[in-house]
Amino acid sequence: QKEVEQNSGPLSVPEGAIASLNCTYSDRVSQSFFWYRQYSGKSPELIMSIYSNGDKEDGRFTAQLNKASQYVSLLIRDSQPSDSATYLCAVNTGGFKTIFGAGTRLFVKA
Amino acid sequence: GAVVSQHPSRVICKSGTSVKIECRSLDFQATTMFWYRQFPKQSLMLMATSNEGSKATYEQGVEKDKFLINHASLTLSTLTVTSAHPEDSSFYICSAGGRQVNEKLFFGSGTQLSVL
Repeated sequence: QKEVEQNSGPLSVPEGAIASLNCTYSDRVSQSFFWYRQYSGKSPELIMSIYSNGDKEDGRFTAQLNKASQYVSLLIRDSQPSDSATYLCAVNTGGFKTIFGAGTRLFVKA
Repeated sequence: GAVVSQHPSRVICKSGTSVKIECRSLDFQATTMFWYRQFPKQSLMLMATSNEGSKATYEQGVEKDKFLINHASLTLSTLTVTSAHPEDSSFYICSAGGRQVNEKLFFGSGTQLSVL
């Protein structure tokens, strides 16, 4: 059973702090990794993709991938109340088959 | 990112009726489309995978005769909830992927179905 694990949270951080979201996956041959943001009552929105080991930065977001440890993380710098949402980790296991984690709820306190 | 359009955004229907939900990729060819349902404060649950021109593959526990999926073209997939019952009330979301978008999945805006 291919799995993607996330801490369900909620993760609470003060405004301006760094939010760190973590994800582990079980399928070693996975090559593509994604982070989606989902606001309550809305559908997921792709915010980051990462394919190779190391860090990838896009604005306030940094995705980190460690294939040896089967670990993906998302850092959000200078967190804002508008970042409060559920963040879904997703792993592509071949073709277009993508496995989603259950999501981590983030709450940024003003 | 690529655009996936989903309609309707909200539908209320009587028990026993059928409801069709459309999912369109507007600026890329969607080789594969996925249908999910999501209950409040729960994670996405994959219902089925559809590839253009072939029968959908349903996840375990999803009734294929109740949830009819058609993926007749590279830009359109439909989900029909047949003989809907109150327990079918949920948020239904489609996603689409294709080679033009490098295996990324883009989501429709979702359909909130309420069966009375």
